[in-house]
Amino acid sequence: AQTVTQSQPEMSVQEAETVTLSCTYDTSESNYYLFWYKQPPSRQMILVIRQEAYKQQNATENRFSVNFQKAAKSFSLKISDSQLGDTAMYFCAFNNNDMRFGAGTRLTVKP
Amino acid sequence: KAGVTQTPRYLIKTRGQQVTLSCSPISGHRSVSWYQQTPGQGLQFLFEYFSETQRNKGNFPGRFSGRQFSNSRSEMNVSTLELGDSALYLCASSWGRTGTGETQYFGPGTRLLVL
Repeated sequence: AQTVTQSQPEMSVQEAETVTLSCTYDTSESNYYLFWYKQPPSRQMILVIRQEAYKQQNATENRFSVNFQKAAKSFSLKISDSQLGDTAMYFCAFNNNDMRFGAGTRLTVKP
Repeated sequence: KAGVTQTPRYLIKTRGQQVTLSCSPISGHRSVSWYQQTPGQGLQFLFEYFSETQRNKGNFPGRFSGRQFSNSRSEMNVSTLELGDSALYLCASSWGRTGTGETQYFGPGTRLLVL
């Protein structure tokens, strides 16, 4: 069974700084998709970024980028120029047959 | 386009009762997935419905069931409620099936408290 591990339960970063959230996963599949979702205190989950496993190029979405290492089964999220609105729970998710989520990382951006 | 809506937003029930939660997906989306979110277990996949058929089911007891209607709206039902069923229940919709890499769009959730 696929498992997703987020080893950092909580992180904090100063406004305008850069922070990296870690995610590793375990699978025997070669074709899959990876996601980072954000859940602000209001509770609505929002897609941050998406990566197809067959693409070597790392996905980028404005201030958000990933470091996808397929062989190492690692999928970290980098947030540049952190903003107060980035404060949220961040979930890494693995998508093959169903969607498996990690336990989440609570990120606090400090002014 | 309207987002995913879930009703009710909050619900209080007692042990042994049953509950039905509703989810209206984004217009045009055919897949609806349900998740249970708790502080202890995190986000766990319940089931996915696509074209009115259950396509996938997570590791939950048979007390948890669901259905999807022809307009893609979905309901999930929990019978014989237990204290451990207290959770935030999230619904997510996508155009294609889970597993095809489609982005899932989440609703605000239904907060269920079982007393």
